[in-house]
Amino acid sequence: EAGVVQSPRYKIIEKKQPVAFWCNPISGHNTLYWYLQNLGQGPELLIRYENEEAVDDSQLPKDRFSAERLKGVDSTLKIQPAELGDSAVYLCASSLQSGSYEQYFGPGTRLTVT
Amino acid sequence: QKEVEQDPGPLSVPEGAIVSLNCTYSNSAFQYFMWYRQYSRKGPELLMYTYSSGNKEDGRFTAQVDKSSKYISLFIRDSQPSDSATYLCAMSSSASKIIFGSGTRLSIRP
Repeated sequence: EAGVVQSPRYKIIEKKQPVAFWCNPISGHNTLYWYLQNLGQGPELLIRYENEEAVDDSQLPKDRFSAERLKGVDSTLKIQPAELGDSAVYLCASSLQSGSYEQYFGPGTRLTVT
Repeated sequence: QKEVEQDPGPLSVPEGAIVSLNCTYSNSAFQYFMWYRQYSRKGPELLMYTYSSGNKEDGRFTAQVDKSSKYISLFIRDSQPSDSATYLCAMSSSASKIIFGSGTRLSIRP
């Protein structure tokens, strides 16, 4: 069974530039999560999708961050414009259904903003 | 004060030692308690899961939850160099939203 796939694995951009991250969850997993992980910290939830609906985006900085999950499968997280403080690892995770404690994480995208 | 507190380490022990990792929390509504392991440059993977109080054993790993003290532990017996990783405690009141600790970096010396 293929795991959660994320791309790119690494991205370096200059501040004020846009950037997008892509995630393909495990087949059949209805719930998809985007997390932010700063160095030396645990993951923090940005947004949770149930199929194509964003059911928890309370921690997503909506002035510069946006996300979509068209057709309830793949998802894209975008930052525009990026700031220096956005440098972090962006993790995507999926679970079979909402309320499942068992989340499967992708390897993450390491973003560096210069 | 963070909802979940975890000593960042690093913790270095010799191979074969018993390792004890701990977290404290402040939210009494937490009922689901998890331990994730994260290798360098990888995403976290679920290691152990416990609902409410009590102990759970899986091979060399034992998870303990003491809700009265708001304290959870993970014990690793006969530690191996392959156990070297960052261990994240995580907890939730509904399993829909998980709060992670900051992680403890563990190194097992051969």
